[in-house]
Amino acid sequence: DAKTTQPNSMESNEEEPVHLPCNHSTISGTDYIHWYRQLPSQGPEYVIHGLTSNVNNRMASLAIAEDRKSSTLILHRATLRDAAVYYCILFIQGAQKLVFGQGTRLTINP
Amino acid sequence: DTGVSQNPRHKITKRGQNVTFRCDPISEHNRLYWYRQTLGQGPEFLTYFQNEAQLEKSRLLSDRFSAERPKGSFSTLEIQRTEQGDSAMYLCASSLQGATNEKLFFGSGTQLSVL
Repeated sequence: DAKTTQPNSMESNEEEPVHLPCNHSTISGTDYIHWYRQLPSQGPEYVIHGLTSNVNNRMASLAIAEDRKSSTLILHRATLRDAAVYYCILFIQGAQKLVFGQGTRLTINP
Repeated sequence: DTGVSQNPRHKITKRGQNVTFRCDPISEHNRLYWYRQTLGQGPEFLTYFQNEAQLEKSRLLSDRFSAERPKGSFSTLEIQRTEQGDSAMYLCASSLQGATNEKLFFGSGTQLSVL
């Protein structure tokens, strides 16, 4: 399974932007980059995904490097409710499943 | 609420007993997944169904584990002769087959404690 590398933990302050990095140097041309997050005592929740171009939705933005070997999830204005574990995952065409790593535990300080 | 529903939310059992969990996916979703998550780890894939067909099983799914989705709707995951190592959160997810950018929708999980 294609792997992603994320920092174990990050910390930020409320109402500030947060940039969560992810490395995926073994990505192939048809692999989608997905981000999910998991709040305490809940199942994972879809955040955003992309293939080549940067993507924006109401939750976050996804910036994808030109060579696609890394990406960054951007939370534009963090709130306390954004404290969660964030998973960067490659959705491999034909694999039909998400393979989770350990993710980044994001702490938001008031 | 039309999200993924899992029952029970919590299950405590004694070692050696059998347990069964149920997952009700989002109604129009034809794919259903089971994952297992232990404390501090990301979810681990166990198996998935497309309609009623079980298409893939992880090596993690030993002979004591069996999953069914008899009519392509709800699914059950049974663990026979439970062991303490089976203690974990069991997560169910569903999706609508489509492009490779399909999203998975997860339930809140069933927390199993084997004493």
